[in-house]
Amino acid sequence: AQRVTQPEKLLSVFKGAPVELKCNYSYSGSPELFWYVQYSRQRLQLLLRHISRESIKGFTADLNKGETSFHLKKPFAQEEDSAMYYCAAWGAQKLVFGQGTRLTINP
Amino acid sequence: NAGVTQTPKFRVLKTGQSMTLLCAQDMNHEYMYWYRQDPGMGLRLIHYSVGEGTTAKGEVPDGYNVSRLKKQNFLLGLESAAPSQTSVYFCASSPPRLWAYGTQYFGPGTRLLVL
Repeated sequence: AQRVTQPEKLLSVFKGAPVELKCNYSYSGSPELFWYVQYSRQRLQLLLRHISRESIKGFTADLNKGETSFHLKKPFAQEEDSAMYYCAAWGAQKLVFGQGTRLTINP
Repeated sequence: NAGVTQTPKFRVLKTGQSMTLLCAQDMNHEYMYWYRQDPGMGLRLIHYSVGEGTTAKGEVPDGYNVSRLKKQNFLLGLESAAPSQTSVYFCASSPPRLWAYGTQYFGPGTRLLVL
């Protein structure tokens, strides 16, 4: 079965510190991977996609096929990064989401 | 463009009551989805549709029904609400080739409380 796992429900770091949100997937074939973010009282929105190889708001994510991981990283956390983050994989006409990680950036 | 809208924004039901949640999108997307969001469980897919007149079960379909009579609308029905269906419900839509053409767009959510 297709599965996306985010092992950390909560993550708290200080402003200016590096951030890494973990994501592992279990999929047949090569799924397309995404990170979505939900800021307080806002709807979910796309943060970045693997296929685009992009950096959004200082975040990057590297696909490691050997470890089946797609961890989200940012070298210097900012207070406005506090939000709920979801890793997702696209396959068989639908997105499968992980359980989400709530990131809190302390001043 | 309004994007994806959901009606209502909040609702309180008593156990056994029925209701329908409406999702509408104005982006001419083929695919539409209903999710529920619960603490610690993330987003779980209830039902989805890959085109007008088609529906399919997701991860947690029990207790819900859906209909896609028009391309722009996707309805989620609860025939007999249970407290376990207390949740935040999100609708989303996307073009077919999500991985190539973009993203899934989400609605603002509907908070449902079943007493």
